[in-house]
Amino acid sequence: QKEVEQNSGPLSVPEGAIASLNCTYSDRVSQSFFWYRQYSGKSPELIMSIYSNGDKEDGRFTAQLNKASQYVSLLIRDSQPSDSATYLCAVNPNGQNFVFGPGTRLSVLP
Amino acid sequence: DAGVIQSPRHEVTEMGQEVTLRCKPISGHDYLFWYRQTMMRGLELLIYFNNNVPIDDSGMPEDRFSAKMPNASFSTLKIQPSEPRDSAVYFCASSLGDGYTFGSGTRLTVV
Repeated sequence: QKEVEQNSGPLSVPEGAIASLNCTYSDRVSQSFFWYRQYSGKSPELIMSIYSNGDKEDGRFTAQLNKASQYVSLLIRDSQPSDSATYLCAVNPNGQNFVFGPGTRLSVLP
Repeated sequence: DAGVIQSPRHEVTEMGQEVTLRCKPISGHDYLFWYRQTMMRGLELLIYFNNNVPIDDSGMPEDRFSAKMPNASFSTLKIQPSEPRDSAVYFCASSLGDGYTFGSGTRLTVV
């Protein structure tokens, strides 16, 4: 059973703080990992992808991957109220279809 | 690029009726996916196609659901007959084998 787990939240952080979102996965052969952001009533949009162990930075976002621990995280620096959304972790175990986690709802308080 | 286009955006139908959801993927993308999203179950993969060929339909809940991709620019998901428990948001997504691009979704309500 391929599973992806996330804390459901809600995760509340004050504006300007660092938000840390975590994800674990069960399929050791997975090679690619993605973070999607989904605003209420909207479709998921891709914000980060990561394929190698370590950190990958893109603006205020940093994705971290540890394949040995089967763990991937997303850090959002200088959180803004506009970052309030549900963040979905996705794992691509076979190079074709994704398995999505249940999502973590983030609320950034002004 | 217009992105992944889904229609209709909203559909309200009575139990027992046939429902057809439509999707136009991004030109050049060779993978197409149909997902269903509910509060209880999150995003569930229903079926996906590669080069118009169905690859995995193990997520299709039952025989009432069927999907087709007659060409590279069009796919349909059909539910016949529809039931209230089918109420959800149905997303179509396409990709080149990497990150997905989702359509805006179809919100289906079966009463």
